[in-house]
Amino acid sequence: SQQGEEDPQALSIQEGENATMNCSYKTSINNLQWYRQNSGRGLVHLILIRSNEREKHSGRLRVTLDTSKKSSSLLITASRAADTASYFCATAPAGNKLTFGGGTRVLVKP
Amino acid sequence: DAGITQSPRYKITETGRQVTLMCHQTWSHSYMFWYRQDLGHGLRLIYYSAAADITDKGEVPDGYVVSRSKTENFPLTLESATRSQTSVYFCASSGGGNQPQHFGDGTRLSIL
Repeated sequence: SQQGEEDPQALSIQEGENATMNCSYKTSINNLQWYRQNSGRGLVHLILIRSNEREKHSGRLRVTLDTSKKSSSLLITASRAADTASYFCATAPAGNKLTFGGGTRVLVKP
Repeated sequence: DAGITQSPRYKITETGRQVTLMCHQTWSHSYMFWYRQDLGHGLRLIYYSAAADITDKGEVPDGYVVSRSKTENFPLTLESATRSQTSVYFCASSGGGNQPQHFGDGTRLSIL
């Protein structure tokens, strides 16, 4: 079973636009992480937000976390063609195991 | 260079055969993980290891065997491959705590 569920499943935008994707989860968490996967490659960690944090920034990335709604969002600002990838949220209920959602496929058109 | 490498990158085998996927990391991370990635299921955890000689089952362990005699290696063996095990397999490592997981580039396994 998947702890995290991303929405939308796919997203197509023009270069320069912002991309927003959401993640919902079911149980309490210690932290929530976002990963990117380029075609044919492994996942790359983007950002981690702890359960006591509400917002975090890293470059063009902005992550929010609402533990009362059990949801998180990832915003990519001023998107570039190189941002074309699949994005996954992963939750860490406890310990070091992660549970991944099904991902959002993002296509940034030049 | 430090990193995590998986081998082979591609493998085709037949049902009933034994196949081993290799994973090697150079960070001396204590934690290592095996996932499979299938369309419609995302990544699912097969097995993980908290340290050498310590392994534990994940969400989908049936049909798989792991070992961890050395910190840097975490091989995954399919003892008798089945078509349902056709997938892309990813190995990852982590230093533990809240540290992120670092992934290899995967092994694409096809079982005919």
